[in-house]
Amino acid sequence: DAKTTQPPSMDCAEGRAANLPCNHSTISGNEYVYWYRQIHSQGPQYIIHGLKNNETNEMASLIITEDRKSSTLILPHATLRDTAVYYCIVLMSSNYQLIWGAGTKLIIKP
Amino acid sequence: KAGVTQTPRYLIKTRGQQVTLSCSPISGHRSVSWYQQTPGQGLQFLFEYFSETQRNKGNFPGRFSGRQFSNSRSEMNVSTLELGDSALYLCASSLDVMVDTQYFGPGTRLTVL
Repeated sequence: DAKTTQPPSMDCAEGRAANLPCNHSTISGNEYVYWYRQIHSQGPQYIIHGLKNNETNEMASLIITEDRKSSTLILPHATLRDTAVYYCIVLMSSNYQLIWGAGTKLIIKP
Repeated sequence: KAGVTQTPRYLIKTRGQQVTLSCSPISGHRSVSWYQQTPGQGLQFLFEYFSETQRNKGNFPGRFSGRQFSNSRSEMNVSTLELGDSALYLCASSLDVMVDTQYFGPGTRLTVL
């Protein structure tokens, strides 16, 4: 089963781009990478997902390396409200379960 | 469109009791998944229901059960509560199958004394 590895915490200055890395070296060819965030014990919020190509939406950009072994979530202009735990998750192709890791606690500093 | 709603938001029970949590998915969503979140174990998958049938199940004891109704609303039940069942229980719904994006509710905070 594909697992993900993320740094436990990161800081970013308000207004700067926040780049959150994720390693998923055992990912299978048809498994998606999902990103969610959770703000202080609220329900996780969907951010973005991708398979092979880079993706962008109104919240963030997702850059997936060509070998698909790692990805980076980019929040282009971080605000204080982006302080949260960010989860990089692989959707297992065998049973469509989302396997959650410990996530990265992102702290945006003024 | 209204989001996923969960009731109650907070619950306090004692050991040995049972509890039922409710989840109303986003209108039109047919898949409902349940997760347990604790500080030590993180988010763990409990089970997933689709069209009133349990389609996937995580590694939890039989004390944890669920069901889904014809309107896609779902309930989960925990019998014979233990202290370790204290957690945030999250419900997520998706349009059709789990590969679709899952949208989470605010969760039910269960405390077992």
